[in-house]
Amino acid sequence: KAGVTQTPRYLIKTRGQQVTLSCSPISGHRSVSWYQQTPGQGLQFLFEYFSETQRNKGNFPGRFSGRQFSNSRSEMNVSTLELGDSALYLCASSRVTGGTEAFFGQGTRLTVV
Amino acid sequence: DAKTTQPNSMESNEEEPVHLPCNHSTISGTDYIHWYRQLPSQGPEYVIHGLTSNVNNRMASLAIAEDRKSSTLILHRATLRDAAVYYCILLNNAGNMLTFGGGTRLMVKP
Repeated sequence: KAGVTQTPRYLIKTRGQQVTLSCSPISGHRSVSWYQQTPGQGLQFLFEYFSETQRNKGNFPGRFSGRQFSNSRSEMNVSTLELGDSALYLCASSRVTGGTEAFFGQGTRLTVV
Repeated sequence: DAKTTQPNSMESNEEEPVHLPCNHSTISGTDYIHWYRQLPSQGPEYVIHGLTSNVNNRMASLAIAEDRKSSTLILHRATLRDAAVYYCILLNNAGNMLTFGGGTRLMVKP
């Protein structure tokens, strides 16, 4: 069974630009969550989508947004990039929402210059 | 949100058992105790979870105190590949929002 796939793996963007990251969950999984990992703040929850609806949202500015498609694939978008947005962005998929185990992808390493 | 407390780091010798503790004194009745680990340069990996009873799987065992205010992840025979940061997380059925703390960095010596 294929795991969680995140694309691209690496990305370099300039301050002020926007970026879209993609996540394909494990087949049959309907919940997708996004996390940001930085050396200073550790792993922080961004948002969770289940059946195309945002279920939970972390404490991030509105520049961070996401969506989920009918096939459960998800995208997250960051607009007006700042240097501090440089991080590893991780996606996790779960079969359902509500306390089940999550399977993480390898992440997208975003560098903002 | 209920929080967890873990030691910053622990050391173990290869092939010996490892007991990783976690305190969660404000746990609520609907919180599950989840453990994840993150190996270097990889995304977090699910290890085990439980509610009240002790749990075993192929990776580890989870021992939960009777009052549920603490738990212990047990690796029965540590290998060098078990060197990772281990996170203890409380999760209820309101969603899959994992709140990661600092975790415990486990170092395994050959």
